[in-house]
Amino acid sequence: EPEVTQTPSHQVTQMGQEVILRCVPISNHLYFYWYRQILGQKVEFLVSFYNNEISEKSEIFDDQFSVERPDGSNFTLKIRSTKLEDSAMYFCAGRRAGLGGYTFGSGTRLTVV
Amino acid sequence: AQTVTQSQPEMSVQEAETVTLSCTYDTSESDYYLFWYKQPPSRQMILVIRQEAYKQQNATENRFSVNFQKAAKSFSLKISDSQLGDAAMYFCAYDVRGTSYGKLTFGQGTILTVHP
Repeated sequence: EPEVTQTPSHQVTQMGQEVILRCVPISNHLYFYWYRQILGQKVEFLVSFYNNEISEKSEIFDDQFSVERPDGSNFTLKIRSTKLEDSAMYFCAGRRAGLGGYTFGSGTRLTVV
Repeated sequence: AQTVTQSQPEMSVQEAETVTLSCTYDTSESDYYLFWYKQPPSRQMILVIRQEAYKQQNATENRFSVNFQKAAKSFSLKISDSQLGDAAMYFCAYDVRGTSYGKLTFGQGTILTVHP
């Protein structure tokens, strides 16, 4: 069964550094998403992406965050200047058009020190 | 804004027994979807079951079934013949579609422990 692949599985970075989290969605998916889960808390929506542009973003997704799909396959989330509170599990997800459900990647655990 | 509430932070069940996890949601939409996701210690999000709001029939997937009460905005998950591998965090999630691009709104989660 096709999978959504996320890399790296775990990243440790120093506060103020830029990080890029990568996702390879399933090839026939059209809608892409990033979600965040701070340890012990619920999963929160960050941003949705369709037709090479952001379709919706949450209050969390401020100017420090950006997404792109530069080559039609990889879907990336960039955090420009990480803060301690950005430490979380970040999930990429995708879905087909229509009634399909969401498929999640296995997540990237980001630790900001 | 849509909200999803899971009022049971933790639940436990004996192996082979049945357990029900509760979920309520608030929305003014008529066209939406509801999901249950399982998150084991590996923290991967695994789809358990899905319900379309326009369908009156409750969804079932093997040992997993839901009780969808649209008027009451309730969406509970029943796990029958519980197995040790069912131990995980379970999230209820709401998704509005129609003209929207879709996004999931999650509840706070319920930790399920299965005792041998």
